[in-house]
Order: sequence, then C-alpha cells, then structure tokens
Amino acid sequence: DGGITQSPKYLFRKEGQNVTLSCEQNLNHDAMYWYRQDPGQGLRLIYYSQIVNDFQKGDIAEGYSVSREKKESFPLTVTSAQKNPTAFYLCASRSQGAGQETQYFGPGTRLLVL
Amino acid sequence: GQNIDQPTEMTATEGAIVQINCTYQTSGFNGLFWYQQHAGEAPTFLSYNVLDGLEEKGRFSSFLSRSKGYSYLLLKELQMKDSASYLCAVSFTTSGTYKYIFGTGTRLKVLA
Repeated sequence: DGGITQSPKYLFRKEGQNVTLSCEQNLNHDAMYWYRQDPGQGLRLIYYSQIVNDFQKGDIAEGYSVSREKKESFPLTVTSAQKNPTAFYLCASRSQGAGQETQYFGPGTRLLVL
Repeated sequence: GQNIDQPTEMTATEGAIVQINCTYQTSGFNGLFWYQQHAGEAPTFLSYNVLDGLEEKGRFSSFLSRSKGYSYLLLKELQMKDSASYLCAVSFTTSGTYKYIFGTGTRLKVLA
C-alpha cells in the first residue's frame, strides 16, 4: 500500500541526547514536511524539502536538523539544543496535479523527555 | 503576515447539523483544506477548495469565499464518531515555495 510511515510511535529522550525520527514515503512525492503539534496549538512547520538534496528551515527550526538524501526519506533529528522537545511530530508529503493538491500525513511520533 | 482563526470548541447533538467557520489572511493563496483529527492520531484529509463556492462530499461540505477570506465546514447528520478536532489550513506560495499554515483546530463534541 502507498503511504507515509513514521517510526517509532513513541520516543523517549534523555537530557542532552539527540534523537532521530524516521519518515518514509512511497508515494513518489517530491515535497516533504515536518510539523510539530503541541496541545491547543496548530501544526507548526519545522523543516521542509521540495526536492532531494535540498531543504529549508520552517518557522521553528532551532534545535532541529534534517537530511534529504533520498526522495523517499526525510528524517528529523531533535538535538540537545531543543529545550522543549515534548510534542507530537508529524511528517507529511505533498501531491499535486490536475488542479488538486493535498498533504498526506504519517501517523506521527510522540516524543517525551525523561 | 499569514493568519488563520477558527473557534476553539463546539458542541452539537447527534443527528444535527454543525457549521465550523474559518477566517484567514494570507498572500499567495492557493487553496484551503479541512482536516479531521481524532485525539492522538494524525490529521486526515476531508476537503480542498480552490475556487469560490460549495464542495459537497457525502455528509461533509466545505465552502470558500476568497474575497472575504472565509471558509466553513458543514457536517450533516452528525454521528458520535464525528467527535474530533477539525483543522483549517491554507496553502500559499512564497518565493516559489508551497507552504501551509494551520489553524489551532476546532474541537467538536457530539452528544447523544
């Protein structure tokens, strides 16, 4: 089945530790996005990538890093510089064509700090 | 700047009709989305409006007025499973890049 997968579903981070969240899609989409969702807030854009080997900072990129070495994969690293990482992280990819576009979301990763 | 507003919470009765409003301010507007999000889950796509008017899909309809920066999602024949958050989102183009801005979501409670 085509879709977006994220792993793990839950992730625990210790103080000072870097952790990496996986995002894979087999939809053949060029554009991919990482969002963070906090309770009572909308989705906020962390990083996005329009094409392989290219990515741009979103609105809240500090303390995060990404790579886009393959079209299918867009992993997000939460570094120790991110002081408040507890949130629900959503990866998405964008399809476009014939006057339609949409973002498809993965199931999300919930990150908790120990 | 880019901005989206929608009510925080709404309550309705099973079998009724509810309208969730969304207002936005943006430049480079491409289209407006509605997503449904159940607690602890990812958003799922409901509708996408590019042109003014009403789009109907079964029990759900979405309306857009680009000149007024206004949209609404209409849910008919409400069911208990419709209890969820409904996110309004706008797609816009800036410096040649497609980006999205999301509202904070409207939490809908459907009562028996």
